[in-house]
Amino acid sequence: NAGVMQNPRHLVRRRGQEARLRCSPMKGHSHVYWYRQLPEEGLKFMVYLQKENIIDESGMPKERFSAEFPKEGPSILRIQQVVRGDSAAYFCASSPPLYTGELFFGEGSRLTVL
Amino acid sequence: GESVGLHLPTLSVQEGDNSIINCAYSNSASDYFIWYKQESGKGPQFIIDIRSNMDKRQGQRVTVLLNKTVKHLSLQIAATQPGDSAVYFCAERWSGANSKLTFGKGITLSVRP
Repeated sequence: NAGVMQNPRHLVRRRGQEARLRCSPMKGHSHVYWYRQLPEEGLKFMVYLQKENIIDESGMPKERFSAEFPKEGPSILRIQQVVRGDSAAYFCASSPPLYTGELFFGEGSRLTVL
Repeated sequence: GESVGLHLPTLSVQEGDNSIINCAYSNSASDYFIWYKQESGKGPQFIIDIRSNMDKRQGQRVTVLLNKTVKHLSLQIAATQPGDSAVYFCAERWSGANSKLTFGKGITLSVRP
């Protein structure tokens, strides 16, 4: 049973480039959550998606950030024109439908902006 | 607004002692609480959870206590081991099924041999 798979695990970008982070949820899970973690800080909620639908994007920055979870394929968190402040670990979590328990987290994607 | 916070940023304990990690929350509508452990370079791992209709839940070497009167959550680890060294986060959920978890800042547990 594969867990939540994130790739790439490490990504280096120069300022102004684009970063794309991918997340494949656990088998049977149709709900995906993205969190950002700055060094020495907690996890900040960014966005919650179901297949082809954004449910809650209250934690997403207004500009440069977008997320999708298409009918087929992984969920993608896209950051355009990256700045140094975007350097962080981005974690994806998933859960099955109608579930009130824990979120299952991946190992994260660590973005470094030079 | 909702917030989840931890009282102490770091905790150092002797191997074999019991550890207690505390957490305060402010949203009285929260009905689900959870503790995660995060080791360096890894994702959060589930430790134990509790729903608001309970005040105590036990796992293997871990116990979670919930005091809704003062909005306080604690994690107790018995016979702390070096492998318990990590950052611990509490989190809460207040909107029912499939809604997001809101995390606190985290506390580092350091176990002295």
